[in-house]
Amino acid sequence: DTAVSQTPKYLVTQMGNDKSIKCEQNLGHDTMYWYKQDSKKFLKIMFSYNNKELIINETVPNRFSPKSPDKAHLNLHINSLELGDSAVYFCASSQAASEGTDTQYFGPGTRLTVL
Amino acid sequence: KQEVTQIPAALSVPEGENLVLNCSFTDSAIYNLQWFRQDPGKGLTSLLLIQSSQREQTSGRLNASLDKSSGRSTLYIAASQPGDSATYLCAGSNYKLTFGKGTLLTVNP
Repeated sequence: DTAVSQTPKYLVTQMGNDKSIKCEQNLGHDTMYWYKQDSKKFLKIMFSYNNKELIINETVPNRFSPKSPDKAHLNLHINSLELGDSAVYFCASSQAASEGTDTQYFGPGTRLTVL
Repeated sequence: KQEVTQIPAALSVPEGENLVLNCSFTDSAIYNLQWFRQDPGKGLTSLLLIQSSQREQTSGRLNASLDKSSGRSTLYIAASQPGDSATYLCAGSNYKLTFGKGTLLTVNP
């Protein structure tokens, strides 16, 4: 069974559109994350949620809005997409409440292309 | 601000060779140091996590060391195999994980 799953795997859209990426984990973890990996393969954290509460927001434009309906799900909604948003977005989860103190499990990624 | 650097950026070795990947970090006040593997088009897989109080961790043919005082970690891979070909990322953990850019390893049969 997949531990951390993301949908869709690929997303191609026009500038200015609004899109969402969904993430689900079946590990029973308390903490979930969104990361962005740019074209240079640099992986950076965007958000972290613990038990549905936002605990890390790394100066991400407010066009990006994470939503956690329950602790097993963390969705990412992006408004007014820009060319620079093209990247691979990874969801991850861990048991620990403090981000970075425990092993993180990553989803397969969503490749977003903005035309 | 934590910065993580990995050297070399790419490494190509023949099958069977032992190899070392290097990782350095600027802020020694880390909770732990983690090594991940990323296959093309896939997510990251955790390999080893070394707590700040530990010096090394081992899993199978992998051994990772941590020297907080010098801000360095190494990942040692013994008897490399073509299946080890991937990008290896290290990440230092403060209140968040800060990743290096990775080392692209190619093991040639």
